[in-house]
Amino acid sequence: GQQLNQSPQSMFIQEGEDVSMNCTSSSIFNTWLWYKQDPGEGPVLLIALYKAGELTSNGRLTAQFGITRKDSFLNISASIPSDVGIYFCAGQGSAGNMLTFGGGTRLMVKP
Amino acid sequence: AAGVIQSPRHLIKEKRETATLKCYPIPRHDTVYWYQQGPGQDPQFLISFYEKMQSDKGSIPDRFSAQQFSDYHSELNMSSLELGDSALYFCASSRRSRAIYEQYFGPGTRLTVT
Repeated sequence: GQQLNQSPQSMFIQEGEDVSMNCTSSSIFNTWLWYKQDPGEGPVLLIALYKAGELTSNGRLTAQFGITRKDSFLNISASIPSDVGIYFCAGQGSAGNMLTFGGGTRLMVKP
Repeated sequence: AAGVIQSPRHLIKEKRETATLKCYPIPRHDTVYWYQQGPGQDPQFLISFYEKMQSDKGSIPDRFSAQQFSDYHSELNMSSLELGDSALYFCASSRRSRAIYEQYFGPGTRLTVT
């Protein structure tokens, strides 16, 4: 089946720093989505990307859909303590509308 | 804005018992997805429904079944529960008929099998 490799697995940064995480796949995806999940809660949609090469921002978040359609990255600028959580990339491929998730990036922010 | 509603939020069952999880999608959303998330894992797709018909099927055990009703809510029925079924179960919804493929997740049901 399709698999997404997400890196890094965890990050421990200082408040105010910028953060970058990415996902790669051997398969092509038609849609890339980025979610944030707090412990015991459901994933919250941050950004959706539909076109190869698309660059989209949502406040301090910026994400890009790779030109090959096999990768995506998420940047968070000027991190704050409430950015703490697990960030997941997810892709929708040609096999259906289900999401395939990456392994997640655990972000910890030091005030 | 209205979100996906799931009930119950927590459920404790014994081995070999049955459980029913309910999902109420965002109003006007026509597609429902079920995901299972084990401790420290990413969500794994189980099954989805579009306009009350099964749409896609993932790694859902034969002991599980699901359906979508005329009001678009969905129920996941789990029988002969095993210890390994303990997990967070999420429902997500989207509006496929309007080509809106973003999936919005509910708060989840935490199932504990003892």
